[in-house]
Amino acid sequence: KQEVTQIPAALSVPEGENLVLNCSFTDSAIYNLQWFRQDPGKGLTSLLLIQSSQREQTSGRLNASLDKSSGRSTLYIAASQPGDSATYLCAFLSGSARQLTFGSGTQLTVLP
Amino acid sequence: DVKVTQSSRYLVKRTGEKVFLECVQDMDHENMFWYRQDPGLGLRLIYFSYDVKMKEKGDIPEGYSVSREKKERFSLILESASTNQTSMYLCASTEGPLNTEAFFGQGTRLTVV
Repeated sequence: KQEVTQIPAALSVPEGENLVLNCSFTDSAIYNLQWFRQDPGKGLTSLLLIQSSQREQTSGRLNASLDKSSGRSTLYIAASQPGDSATYLCAFLSGSARQLTFGSGTQLTVLP
Repeated sequence: DVKVTQSSRYLVKRTGEKVFLECVQDMDHENMFWYRQDPGLGLRLIYFSYDVKMKEKGDIPEGYSVSREKKERFSLILESASTNQTSMYLCASTEGPLNTEAFFGQGTRLTVV
């Protein structure tokens, strides 16, 4: 079964820092991966989707990369802001399943 | 933009009640999903559906059932609510089976007392 690990579980940084969130997976036969943001008590908001044929996607200050050979994805957040404080989750759609498998998330706090 | 709407943000129900959680999507998506999210356990898939009147069990279907009579609506049913079903419930949809983006509703916080 696909295993997805997110490290670190929690991260606190001062405003303005660039940061990287990590996501690793065990099954290289993935179809896509998706990064989500979740605010406390709310649903998940899609941030970026990377198809299996792509290596990265960018949206504003966010950049996500995918390296299937090493089983890793990273989410890079540039010039972090207090409004970026949330839990960030990665999820994979693998060839053996038709539904997403989620990591446990990284709780990010950006201090003003 | 795709919109996935869950009928309630917060619900409080009594043990033994039959509970209906409703989810509607407005983009003609084929696939719909119900997850529950608990601290320390992450998101776990309860049921999903690829088409009208079709359903498949996820990882934790016990104590739940689902209904999909129309393409845009996917209902989660707790036949007899129990306190261990107190959780955040999240509905999601995707356009097709592969390589498509998942969209989530705002979540329903269910408390069973």
